[in-house]
Amino acid sequence: KAGVTQTPRYLIKTRGQQVTLSCSPISGHRSVSWYQQTPGQGLQFLFEYFSETQRNKGNFPGRFSGRQFSNSRSEMNVSTLELGDSALYLCASSSVTVTDTQYFGPGTRLTVL
Amino acid sequence: AQSVSQHNHHVILSEAASLELGCNYSYGGTVNLFWYVQYPGQHLQLLLKYFSGDPLVKGIKGFEAEFIKSKFSFNLRKPSVQWSDTAEYFCAVIPDRDDKIIFGKGTRLHILP
Repeated sequence: KAGVTQTPRYLIKTRGQQVTLSCSPISGHRSVSWYQQTPGQGLQFLFEYFSETQRNKGNFPGRFSGRQFSNSRSEMNVSTLELGDSALYLCASSSVTVTDTQYFGPGTRLTVL
Repeated sequence: AQSVSQHNHHVILSEAASLELGCNYSYGGTVNLFWYVQYPGQHLQLLLKYFSGDPLVKGIKGFEAEFIKSKFSFNLRKPSVQWSDTAEYFCAVIPDRDDKIIFGKGTRLHILP
């Protein structure tokens, strides 16, 4: 069974730009969650999608958004990038809920210059 | 606000030493508890989880954790560590009121051969 895949693996952007990250969950998994990992704040929950609907959201500004497609693939978008958005963005998938075992992808390393 | 504290940011042990990593959370209600591990160059993966029942939970690779409700703690233990246990360990909590997972900031464990 293929694991969670994330593309691209690395991104360099400049302030003010926007970026879209992609996540393909494990086949059959319907819940996809996104996390931001930074040295200072650690791992922080961004949002969770299930059946194309955002089911839960963390405490991030509206510049961070996401969506899920009918095949459970998910994208997250960050608009008007700030230097502080530089981070590793992790995606995780699980069968139905976040309390089911979550399987993490390798992450996308975003650098904002 | 709910939080998860991991008191040891960096732990160095020799092989065969016993390990205990602390994790405390701040939430008065029912919680779901997790320990995740990230080995060098690998994805974050689940070590063990506790939802209810026996407060002593066994996970993969000889790890176990004990939930002590009165202390709001979920400490991770291993009787005898190996060099291959070198990794970063994250404690995480999902309060029963919502499905937002809250991670601790992680503990880097370095095992000396």
